[in-house]
Amino acid sequence: DTAVSQTPKYLVTQMGNDKSIKCEQNLGHDTMYWYKQDSKKFLKIMFSYNNKELIINETVPNRFSPKSPDKAHLNLHINSLELGDSAVYFCASSYRQGRGYTFGSGTRLTVV
Amino acid sequence: DQQVKQNSPSLSVQEGRISILNCDYTNSMFDYFLWYKKYPAEGPTFLISISSIKDKNEDGRFTVFLNKSAKHLSLHIVPSQPGDSAVYFCAASAQTGAQKLVFGQGTRLTINP
Repeated sequence: DTAVSQTPKYLVTQMGNDKSIKCEQNLGHDTMYWYKQDSKKFLKIMFSYNNKELIINETVPNRFSPKSPDKAHLNLHINSLELGDSAVYFCASSYRQGRGYTFGSGTRLTVV
Repeated sequence: DQQVKQNSPSLSVQEGRISILNCDYTNSMFDYFLWYKKYPAEGPTFLISISSIKDKNEDGRFTVFLNKSAKHLSLHIVPSQPGDSAVYFCAASAQTGAQKLVFGQGTRLTINP
């Protein structure tokens, strides 16, 4: 049983398209996150939700919109994709904010 | 503003020897520190953590040392094994403010047979 699963694992799309990445955790954690790993390999937080409530929203373009239908799911929708959005996106969850995260295996997004 | 820094992008160590990975931080509010290990095409996996009330934490072959005055932590792996070859990320968080993990840029460790 995968603790944090995200789909798809790979996503290749054209500029201007809209795409979504889904994330689900079965650990019973209250907090979920989206991180972006850019070409320089930095892992940077984008969003954090605690029990369906948005608690962290870093400086991310409005084209990125997270949605948490329940505390086990945190999806990421991206509008009008740009070349610079190409990266690996990781979903994670934790039992407590800022403490031991469990990560998904990542979604490699390539915008062409 | 990179609050967590791993200044060595790569490290090569012979099997059986000690691997030492270093990490520096700038935010004095950080009170919890972690190391994650990442294999290609996988997500980071938790390795070991340390609270700021301690200066050392050990788990099998892995030991993390924290020097608060220097704002420095290190991960020691001994003895190093081929399966330890991976990218290691240092991370830190604070109990106050935005409670999120801030990551370093990673160090690629290669264990040579």
